[in-house]
Amino acid sequence: SQQGEEDPQALSIQEGENATMNCSYKTSINNLQWYRQNSGRGLVHLILIRSNEREKHSGRLRVTLDTSKKSSSLLITASQAADTASYFCATVSGYSTLTFGKGTMLLVSP
Amino acid sequence: EAGVAQSPRYKIIEKRQSVAFWCNPISGHATLYWYQQILGQGPKLLIQFQNNGVVDDSQLPKDRFSAERLKGVDSTLKIQPAKLEDSAVYLCASRFSGRASSYEQYFGPGTRLTVT
Repeated sequence: SQQGEEDPQALSIQEGENATMNCSYKTSINNLQWYRQNSGRGLVHLILIRSNEREKHSGRLRVTLDTSKKSSSLLITASQAADTASYFCATVSGYSTLTFGKGTMLLVSP
Repeated sequence: EAGVAQSPRYKIIEKRQSVAFWCNPISGHATLYWYQQILGQGPKLLIQFQNNGVVDDSQLPKDRFSAERLKGVDSTLKIQPAKLEDSAVYLCASRFSGRASSYEQYFGPGTRLTVT
């Protein structure tokens, strides 16, 4: 079963613009992770935010987590064509099991 | 560091045939996962191993799917007999679960299965 639901399902922007994707989930979590998937590099871990954290940064990525609303957002600043991919949020509730959402397809045009 | 290896990369079979996928995790990673990813959806966990023991197989269709991880390293996932709805990408992932473990999983390139 899918835990996270990403919004929007698809996003098209120009290079240099910022991209924001949202994720909502249903049950309490230990942590939430974001992954990127493209044909070239497969599924790759981007960033993890723990349930007691509210914001985290990694390079051009910023993740926020609001456990009261059961939601998270991923911001990619100054997007590049190489950021074109599908982005998934995944929650961890138990031992280490990831439950993925359906993903957001991001297209960054030059 | 070598990544997670999977083979074959592509497989086309007819329904009711059997198929097997192989995964070699990153060296030293005790936890291994198999996921099924249907087109347009996120990956769904099928089974999780810790060394050679099963931790979670609650979403594995056990009437047709089986998996093993002999000696706690390589793993195989088998489907017998295959159905049309089994067409998907099968992803293997591994995770280091020692003292300095994190929740990050490392994924292989996947096997794209088409059942006709």
